[in-house]
Amino acid sequence: DGGITQSPKYLFRKEGQNVTLSCEQNLNHDAMYWYRQDPGQGLRLIYYSQIVNDFQKGDIAEGYSVSREKKESFPLTVTSAQKNPTAFYLCASSIIRTGPMEQYFGPGTRLTVT
Amino acid sequence: AQKVTQAQTEISVVEKEDVTLDCVYETRDTTYYLFWYKQPPSGELVFLIRRNSFDEQNEISGRYSWNFQKSTSSFNFTITASQVVDSAVYFCALSDSNRDDKIIFGKGTRLHILP
Repeated sequence: DGGITQSPKYLFRKEGQNVTLSCEQNLNHDAMYWYRQDPGQGLRLIYYSQIVNDFQKGDIAEGYSVSREKKESFPLTVTSAQKNPTAFYLCASSIIRTGPMEQYFGPGTRLTVT
Repeated sequence: AQKVTQAQTEISVVEKEDVTLDCVYETRDTTYYLFWYKQPPSGELVFLIRRNSFDEQNEISGRYSWNFQKSTSSFNFTITASQVVDSAVYFCALSDSNRDDKIIFGKGTRLHILP
């Protein structure tokens, strides 16, 4: 079945460590996105990519980094520079057409940093 | 500036009641797109609808319906004859040309359907 996978579902890290969250899609979508969700909040865009080897910062990119070496994969690294990394992280993808298209989401990774 | 306001933080209704979730948006663009997503307890967002600013017709899909009113900048979502499986957080979202096709989300409305 086509879809988006994120692993792991739960991740625990010590403060000061970098951690990489995986996102893979087999929908053949060109665009991929990373969002952060905090309790009682909407989603906030961290990074997005519309083509391989290219990506742009979203609204809250500080302390995060990404790569897009393959169309199917868009890993997110939460660096030690991110002041409040504990959150729920969602990856999404979409096709590219005229006008913004609906995004399809993965199941998310809940990151806890202590 | 673009903004989406979902004033209802949390709503509880008894099963089989109808419920409307409000969404008010702000944008300076004449061309924009509106979305609704459902987030069940599992966490994954599920796409429900996409609507562009030139299409003001109301939409019905089974027990779901959407009322788009440009005059009041609202895009409200109604669930008819609610069911326990409708319990979730619902997000309204907006994208316009100033955001390079990126979507801005409201803070969501948590809906509890009581048996």
